[in-house]
Amino acid sequence: AQSVTQLDSQVPVFEEAPVELRCNYSSSVSVYLFWYVQYPNQGLQLLLKYLSGSTLVKGINGFEAEFNKSQTSFHLRKPSVHISDTAEYFCAVSRVFGNEKLTFGTGTRLTIIP
Amino acid sequence: NAGVTQTPKFQVLKTGQSMTLQCAQDMNHNSMYWYRQDPGMGLRLIYYSASEGTTDKGEVPNGYNVSRLNKREFSLRLESAAPSQTSVYFCASLLRTSGRGYNEQFFGPGTRLTVL
Repeated sequence: AQSVTQLDSQVPVFEEAPVELRCNYSSSVSVYLFWYVQYPNQGLQLLLKYLSGSTLVKGINGFEAEFNKSQTSFHLRKPSVHISDTAEYFCAVSRVFGNEKLTFGTGTRLTIIP
Repeated sequence: NAGVTQTPKFQVLKTGQSMTLQCAQDMNHNSMYWYRQDPGMGLRLIYYSASEGTTDKGEVPNGYNVSRLNKREFSLRLESAAPSQTSVYFCASLLRTSGRGYNEQFFGPGTRLTVL
């Protein structure tokens, strides 16, 4: 079974400051890794994904994440945040084989302070 | 191409009432899912359906039933609603392929359910 830990439930950041949202996972098999974003009162949208290859992956809206296998982490970063980045962010994993099911973390609410 | 649609968007029930949440997708996907989202809990899988005619329990199936009516539609039924089922419910779908390969789940906009 897989599990995902997002240690920070809320992260307040000043506008134009950098941000890092942390995600750690546990799995006995190879996994794919994802970050989803949920804007207020909306559904989930895929932000970025790691499948294989380069450990640094770039997503939409200027976000990027780095896969670190030794630390079992997949932290999300943005060098300069905007008010429009206010949302909840979910880290998720799925198995590489038999990968129909996603396991989600508990989410991190990012609040941008003007 | 509407993607994944859910009805209703909002619903208020009294304890003991029943209702069915509807989900439909027009992407010809094989697999469909029902999740619930609660504060501090993330999304938890209630039921999923790998293909038409099959359904399987997820992490939190108690108090729910599902029906995969056809390839497009996957409904979630609460037979006797309880306050603990107050939540936001999301439907998702996925085009399943064999072997190793990436499959993205697409999510609907959600149904916000309150049980009084």
